[in-house]
Amino acid sequence: GNSVTQMEGPVTLSEEAFLTINCTYTATGYPSLFWYVQYPGEGLQLLLKATKADDKGSNKGFEATYRKETTSFHLEKGSVQVSDSAVYFCALSAGYSGGGADGLTFGKGTHLIIQP
Amino acid sequence: DAGITQSPRHKVTETGTPVTLRCHQTENHRYMYWYRQDPGHGLRLIHYSYGVKDTDKGEVSDGYSVSRSKTEDFLLTLESATSSQTSVYFCAISEVLGTEAFFGQGTRLTVV
Repeated sequence: GNSVTQMEGPVTLSEEAFLTINCTYTATGYPSLFWYVQYPGEGLQLLLKATKADDKGSNKGFEATYRKETTSFHLEKGSVQVSDSAVYFCALSAGYSGGGADGLTFGKGTHLIIQP
Repeated sequence: DAGITQSPRHKVTETGTPVTLRCHQTENHRYMYWYRQDPGHGLRLIHYSYGVKDTDKGEVSDGYSVSRSKTEDFLLTLESATSSQTSVYFCAISEVLGTEAFFGQGTRLTVV
């Protein structure tokens, strides 16, 4: 079956530090890959996505590149801010129907804490 | 923001009682999903729908049922709530299979 593995944290960084959150996946076929962010008490918001190998998704200073050879989709940001404190989820969508394959498969989430 | 409304937002219920959570969308998306979020587990798919009256089970469907009588509404029912069903429940929608999903604000359910 499909699965996503990511570091769970918490990850604590100082403001302006460089951020990397690792994400690796196992999937049949050619999934689309996503990063979602969840702020306290809120639902999940799509942060960025990539739909094929070597695609780079980017948004709000965050980037992630779809690496098929290493089955990875690591999230990076060059200079984090206190407002980036949240839980980040890596996810994949298999894109085919049946057997519960519909819907997104999520990692367990990484709690990021940015200290001023 | 995608037009997704979950109700209620918070609910406390007793063990053994039936509970129905509602998800309403205004986007006319074909696919709708119910997830539960628990510490240490991330989000897990309970049930999903790929059209009116078309539903299927997800990873953690035991103890839950769903119905979709209209495109815009997807109901999740706990026939007899148990303490293990205390969780935060999220509804999500997507327009095309294999693309991103958009999430509601969540329902925090506590079974005592």
